[in-house]
Amino acid sequence: KAGVTQTPRYLIKTRGQQVTLSCSPISGHRSVSWYQQTPGQGLQFLFEYFSETQRNKGNFPGRFSGRQFSNSRSEMNVSTLELGDSALYLCASSLLGPVNEKLFFGSGTQLSVL
Amino acid sequence: AQTVTQSQPEMSVQEAETVTLSCTYDTSESDYYLFWYKQPPSRQMILVIRQEAYKQQNATENRFSVNFQKAAKSFSLKISDSQLGDAAMYFCAYRGYNNNDMRFGAGTRLTVKP
Repeated sequence: KAGVTQTPRYLIKTRGQQVTLSCSPISGHRSVSWYQQTPGQGLQFLFEYFSETQRNKGNFPGRFSGRQFSNSRSEMNVSTLELGDSALYLCASSLLGPVNEKLFFGSGTQLSVL
Repeated sequence: AQTVTQSQPEMSVQEAETVTLSCTYDTSESDYYLFWYKQPPSRQMILVIRQEAYKQQNATENRFSVNFQKAAKSFSLKISDSQLGDAAMYFCAYRGYNNNDMRFGAGTRLTVKP
């Protein structure tokens, strides 16, 4: 069974641009969570989607948004990029939700904002 | 708010020896889950071990075991018979029982010396 796939692996953008990251969960998994990882702030929860609905959201500005499609694939969008948005963005999937289940992570998308 | 603290930014261990990574957390909840994740250079977060707070017995997974002290809010990871492949960043994480938001510590970089 294929693991969690994130594309692209690397991305370079300039300030003010917007970016879309993609995450394909493990087949059959309906929950997708997104995390931001930076050297200064560590790993921070962005949001979680389940069956196309956002169930939980972390403390990030509205520039960060996401969605989930009927096939459970998820996208994350960041608008009006700032230098501080440079980070590794990780997504994780689970069958029904991360509350009491094991999360499977992808290898992340490394975003650099110049 | 729940916080997770890993006081050891770096640790090193000789191959075949035992090492313990420390983690403390702060919460007012009585039911929750605790995790140790490993992040190798590939960047993919891999679940090492999981502990349910309502279980008194410490979790074990092969060479990995935890010392869970609920009253002290401490959750340390012991790696026995360390192997070169254990070298990675290790993150301690907390999740409330009914919460999809996982809180991570800052991480401990483990080096294994041959």
